[in-house]
Amino acid sequence: ELKVEQNPLFLSMQEGKNYTIYCNYSTTSDRLYWYRQDPGKSLESLFVLLSNGAVKQEGRLMASLDTKARLSTLHITAAVHDLSATYFCAVDKGGATNKLIFGTGTLLAVQP
Amino acid sequence: GAVVSQHPSRVICKSGTSVKIECRSLDFQATTMFWYRQFPKKSLMLMATSNEGSKATYEQGVEKDKFLINHASLTLSTLTVTSAHPEDSSFYICSARDWRLRLAGKGHEQFFGPGTRLTVL
Repeated sequence: ELKVEQNPLFLSMQEGKNYTIYCNYSTTSDRLYWYRQDPGKSLESLFVLLSNGAVKQEGRLMASLDTKARLSTLHITAAVHDLSATYFCAVDKGGATNKLIFGTGTLLAVQP
Repeated sequence: GAVVSQHPSRVICKSGTSVKIECRSLDFQATTMFWYRQFPKKSLMLMATSNEGSKATYEQGVEKDKFLINHASLTLSTLTVTSAHPEDSSFYICSARDWRLRLAGKGHEQFFGPGTRLTVL
């Protein structure tokens, strides 16, 4: 059974600091997604990582995928308050249905 | 592009009643739709997968007689929570994908709706 774990579960950081959120998964997959969720809202797609070694960057966020280590990271550079949200990674189970298994989520609070 | 809508966005109902939630793909045709539920401060849990014109496939532990899913067209799926009880109160999110977009590299990607918050009194 595919399991997806994120750490940390909660991250409080100061503006201007850097930090990394980790997403580990238990079985082989070549597709991994990162989403942002604001309170009371649905998911906003951030990154789609489709192959080993994939790296994508958007603003202060950068995501990478290492399929051999079954690890993805979401790196935050010089955090700002607007990045405060819950971040989820999701791993594609593959096969015919391409089900997504979501990680536990990381609640990020950026303090001024 | 790839916009998914849900209706209603919020619903409050009495215990024992049934509630229907609609999920529509607005600018693409959804060969597959997924239904998730999310409890407060928790992650998303997949409830079922539905393909257009076929019966839904439910995840282990999800009661198919309680959560009725219909995917009658390529742009609409419905989730009906039958005989709702307070423990069914949750945030329900649908997503959709079009497998035919695989040639453009987007056939596997799911596009999420805005969610429906269900409160059962």
